[in-house]
Parts: sequence; structure tokens; C-alpha cells
Amino acid sequence: AQTVTQSQPEMSVQEAETVTLSCTYDTSESDYYLFWYKQPPSRQMILVIRQEAYKQQNATENRFSVNFQKAAKSFSLKISDSQLGDAAMYFCAYRSETRNTGTASKLTFGTGTRLQVTL
Amino acid sequence: NAGVTQTPKFQVLKTGQSMTLQCAQDMNHNSMYWYRQDPGMGLRLIYYSASEGTTDKGEVPNGYNVSRLNKREFSLRLESAAPSQTSVYFCASTRSDRWNQPQHFGDGTRLSIL
Repeated sequence: AQTVTQSQPEMSVQEAETVTLSCTYDTSESDYYLFWYKQPPSRQMILVIRQEAYKQQNATENRFSVNFQKAAKSFSLKISDSQLGDAAMYFCAYRSETRNTGTASKLTFGTGTRLQVTL
Repeated sequence: NAGVTQTPKFQVLKTGQSMTLQCAQDMNHNSMYWYRQDPGMGLRLIYYSASEGTTDKGEVPNGYNVSRLNKREFSLRLESAAPSQTSVYFCASTRSDRWNQPQHFGDGTRLSIL
């Protein structure tokens, strides 16, 4: 079974600064997806960014980017120019992949990192 | 843009009472999921449905049952609620015939068992 570890329960960053959230995972599979989800106080689960394991290029979405190190099984999230609205719980998630049509792809989540953004 | 809709948003039950959490999606997704979220433990999969007519156990299925009523709806039932089932419950869906699709989540149901 896959496991996802987020070793930083809480992080703090000043507005406009950059912060990196860590995530490591354990798997014996070669094809998989990795995700970062954001959960603000409203409790919604919002997809931030995703990475396909077969792609060497790190994914980016505006101020959000990842550092994907497949051999090290590491998938960190970098938030640049942090904003007050970035304050939330961030979850790293792993999904096995199968090419079989109709097979459900289950997510395995880390325990989350709570990000505070200060003025 | 409804997406994934969960009802109710909040519920308080007494130990031993039964309850069904409802989930519906309007994105024509074939796979649906139920998770629970507890402090310090992230989200854990309770049950999932790969497609209409099929359901399977996830990581923490004990004390729960599910029904995939049709392609749109996937309900979670607590037959005899216990305080250990106090949690926030999330429903999610995805289009699993496209293997690069993320899961879309509902807004959650906060359930308290007294």
C-alpha cells in the first residue's frame, strides 16, 4: 500500500515571501499521479496542482510550482509571492494509475500542513 | 456550476441513531468516493464506486454502508451511529475513463455523534 508523509504540521510565511511545503511518498509503482489540494477554513477541497509521474518537467500553476523528485519520492509545493488568501490546510495526495477503463483511482492523502500567512 | 453536492452540511445524532448522507454530482462522472476527515489524519477512504452498480470498501469501511443509486448519486449510511464516527465526511467524483482526471470534492458534511 502506498503511504504519503507530510512532516510539517504547520508552516508560516510572510506575505509576498516564498514558502515550500514538503511531501514524501512510498510506492513500488512506476506510473502514478501526485496532487496538492488546498483546504481553506470554508472546508472546500480545492485542487492546486497535479503532476504525472512519467513527466520529468515540474508542474506549475501561476504562483504554485512543484519540485518532483521521482527517485527520492519527493513532491514539494512552492508558493511564491504568498498572499493572505493562501492561508489554508494543504494536503498532498497520491493516486495509483491504471489504464483500465472504469477502474476507480483512489487517492491516498497525507496528514496535511497548515499554512499561516502573516503581514 | 453545482459540481458535487452533499446534504446535509451539518448533523448531530445520538449514539445508536441511523443516518444517510447524500451525494450527487452533475458532471457525468462514473466514479464516486466517500472519505472521512479527522484531525491530524488527513482524508481516509471509506467506500468507493468505480461505476454505476459497483461498490468497494476503502481503508475504513466498518460501521458504514453505501448505495450507488444511479450514475449521479452515491449515499453513505450509518446504521447505528457511534461517537467514533464523529467526523467531517466528503464525497468526491471523477471521470475514471480518462486516467489523468482529478477528483472533485463536495463541501463536506460535519457529523457529530453524542
